[in-house]
Amino acid sequence: DVKVTQSSRYLVKRTGEKVFLECVQDMDHENMFWYRQDPGLGLRLIYFSYDVKMKEKGDIPEGYSVSREKKERFSLILESASTNQTSMYLCASSSWTVNTGELFFGEGSRLTVL
Amino acid sequence: GNSVTQMEGPVTLSEEAFLTINCTYTATGYPSLFWYVQYPGEGLQLLLKATKADDKGSNKGFEATYRKETTSFHLEKGSVQVSDSAVYFCALSASANRDDKIIFGKGTRLHILP
Repeated sequence: DVKVTQSSRYLVKRTGEKVFLECVQDMDHENMFWYRQDPGLGLRLIYFSYDVKMKEKGDIPEGYSVSREKKERFSLILESASTNQTSMYLCASSSWTVNTGELFFGEGSRLTVL
Repeated sequence: GNSVTQMEGPVTLSEEAFLTINCTYTATGYPSLFWYVQYPGEGLQLLLKATKADDKGSNKGFEATYRKETTSFHLEKGSVQVSDSAVYFCALSASANRDDKIIFGKGTRLHILP
């Protein structure tokens, strides 16, 4: 069964802390994405990557960075967490070589920043 | 730019009722269109898709027809069940480029009452 796994389902952090959200996929997909999901705003793209060590800014990259050192792993980093980064974070992957347009999502990581 | 607009929720129906969730889009060229579903506590998963005008996507009793003349991709189901309670997202992919981003609507929450 194909899978996108996010390391933590629930996290509580304090303002100013550095936060790492990890995502691993087992489908050998080239593309990986980080979204945040907020009520009334839907999904907003933070960053994406279409290859190892490659990254592209999405619609709301401010306050975030990413790392993709291996094909299967895509990390989202909050350098100094703030309360307005309290949200649900969703990781997704897709295949460029088999481009059906389908995204495969993890179950999400709900982050609360106090 | 490209965009997706879907009806705001929540939508509340009784079991066995007919469902329509409206979705319209703005895009240049010939996008692919998708419906994703998010069940409680889970990530998004692809429900159905259509890649060209007049195509009908279908899955689990849901259907949507790609209407280029009205730029619409409305989701329908003839008889909903309690298990259909979820958030539904309309989305488009404007091209097959490797760095193309899928654009999501804001989501429509559906409640089905027994």
